[in-house]
Amino acid sequence: AQSVTQLGSHVSVSEGALVLLRCNYSSSVPPYLFWYVQYPNQGLQLLLKYTSAATLVKGINGFEAEFKKSETSFHLTKPSAHMSDAAEYFCAVSDVGSSNTGKLIFGQGTTLQVKP
Amino acid sequence: GAGVSQSPSNKVTEKGKDVELRCDPISGHTALYWYRQSLGQGLEFLIYFQGNSAPDKSGLPSDRFSAERTGGSVSTLTIQRTQQEDSAVYLCASSYIDRGGGQPQHFGDGTRLSIL
Repeated sequence: AQSVTQLGSHVSVSEGALVLLRCNYSSSVPPYLFWYVQYPNQGLQLLLKYTSAATLVKGINGFEAEFKKSETSFHLTKPSAHMSDAAEYFCAVSDVGSSNTGKLIFGQGTTLQVKP
Repeated sequence: GAGVSQSPSNKVTEKGKDVELRCDPISGHTALYWYRQSLGQGLEFLIYFQGNSAPDKSGLPSDRFSAERTGGSVSTLTIQRTQQEDSAVYLCASSYIDRGGGQPQHFGDGTRLSIL
């Protein structure tokens, strides 16, 4: 069964600093991985996805993530944080097991705070 | 184009009452998912619909929860005899079907359910 672990429930950075949000996954088959962002009182918005093509995936708003099979990681980064990046971020893996529904299995989420 | 639409956006009801939550997916999306987001449990899968296939109900927490999808489009999630632990944000998502699970899901803004 697939699972996702996000290290750090809360990350705080200064505006302009590097953003690094950590995600590790567990999967017995090649995974499909996603990062979503959630702003207050809104649903989840897709930032980027990994579906076995390039290991470095570029997403919206300047975010990117690198799939590292050897480390079972899919960390999210952005070179320079902006105040508008403050939100909650979720890493997710798609269920491609026997049921193969594509349902998402989420990490616990990381709240990103950006300080001026 | 229109995204996933959920109604109501907020629902407050008394313990023991029944509630219905509605989801209108993106046109052409054959897969529809319901998730629950609560403080203690994070984001949890509830149910999955795909075309005319039998739904995957494996995530429903009790028999008080049920859902249907009429005409392969609009879905309704019903909670009977609500309990305080049902208080959460209920999110609906839709996607194109991809047997590999690589298609991203598009989320509505959710229904915030509060049980008094």
